[in-house]
Amino acid sequence: SQQGEEDPQALSIQEGENATMNCSYKTSINNLQWYRQNSGRGLVHLILIRSNEREKHSGRLRVTLDTSKKSSSLLITASRAADTASYFCATDEHRGSTLGRLYFGRGTQLTVWP
Amino acid sequence: EAQVTQNPRYLITVTGKKLTVTCSQNMNHEYMSWYRQDPGLGLRQIYYSMNVEVTDKGDVPEGYKVSRKEKRNFPLILESPSPNQTSLYFCASSRGGAYNEQFFGPGTRLTVL
Repeated sequence: SQQGEEDPQALSIQEGENATMNCSYKTSINNLQWYRQNSGRGLVHLILIRSNEREKHSGRLRVTLDTSKKSSSLLITASRAADTASYFCATDEHRGSTLGRLYFGRGTQLTVWP
Repeated sequence: EAQVTQNPRYLITVTGKKLTVTCSQNMNHEYMSWYRQDPGLGLRQIYYSMNVEVTDKGDVPEGYKVSRKEKRNFPLILESPSPNQTSLYFCASSRGGAYNEQFFGPGTRLTVL
């Protein structure tokens, strides 16, 4: 079963605007990760936030984590056409010794128009 | 260059003909994993391996086998492929486990007729 679910499923914006994607998950986690996928290609890691962190930045990316609501958001500031891709959140499970399970959501398809 | 490689990249086969998709990483990672990606369903984990000779099931292991005899390689075996295994497959590796940054291969697009 899938742990993370992204919202919205699709997002269309103009260059220069900010893009916000949300992720909700079901169980306690160690870390939450965001990945990017260009059409049909392998996923690329963007950022990892630990369960004891609330906010993290990397370049134009800002990720927040609210463990009480079991949710995270990814903000891309000043979007560019090259940011057009699918974005996925991925969560592990903080449950016993299960260190190998990783759950991906269905993704948000972001389109940035020039 | 640090990378995860998969072969073949594209494969069209027929029902019942055994096939193997290879995955290799050159980063000395302990953890490796296989996923399938289907439209509207995101990525689902098939199998994972915490280290050599240690493998375990993910969400959708039915119809697949794996082995981890060497640290760098983690092949995915379809003993008797069926059309519902038509999908895009990804291998990934990381240091430690699922909780760390995953490095993904380029994907293998499999069609089973």
